[in-house]
Amino acid sequence: QVQLVQSEIEVVRPGASVKISCEGYRYAFSDYYIHWVRQAPGQGLEWMGWFDPQTGDTKFADKFQGRVIFTRNPYVSTVYMEVLKLESVDTAVFYCARGFRGGWTVGDHWGQGTQIIVSP
Amino acid sequence: QSALTQPPSASGSPGSSVTISCSGSGSDIGAHKYVSWYQQYPGKAPRVIIYEVNRRPSGVPDRFSGSKFGSTASLTISFLQTEDEAEYFCGSYAGNSKMIFGGGTKLTVL
Repeated sequence: QVQLVQSEIEVVRPGASVKISCEGYRYAFSDYYIHWVRQAPGQGLEWMGWFDPQTGDTKFADKFQGRVIFTRNPYVSTVYMEVLKLESVDTAVFYCARGFRGGWTVGDHWGQGTQIIVSP
Repeated sequence: QSALTQPPSASGSPGSSVTISCSGSGSDIGAHKYVSWYQQYPGKAPRVIIYEVNRRPSGVPDRFSGSKFGSTASLTISFLQTEDEAEYFCGSYAGNSKMIFGGGTKLTVL
């Protein structure tokens, strides 16, 4: 069945950047947006933005504009999210999620999440 | 944009019903049909249980239902079961190709 598989846990220093991958399986990867969602420990879901794997178009939540970059490798059905200038408050689980086709709903399928720990 | 507002907790007994509210604004919930609800167990990814206000993906029991009135959406879980104990998040299209989520409600089945 459809699956999104993300890269594994990373520990990074404050001020550094991190790049997370999200690979799609068993569906037409270019046909669906990929959304990215952040969840800090014990906190709610926070929408970060979406990426269109077909066109490369992007949209970001205001607070992430300029600090997050989405890219793709269409040959391996993978999108990437790079978060720049990490701070301790960025310690969180980051999810990729497939957008519903033809509508504005996040996540008919979700990745397993990537834990990012920002620590000196 | 501020997160949608949910009560931090809710509870109910097995077999009872519980309703969780999600308050937004005229720019998000009040303006669009793209309201969704997610169920999340600890340490797991969320899964969508309601989309477009009141539609259920295949495999979601009809005990879960959604509604909207003005800028407030609601999730009702009928005939509560112990496995319904989880955290529930609402989400909405916020216009301008952006999305927004609520802060989450922890449901306890007593």
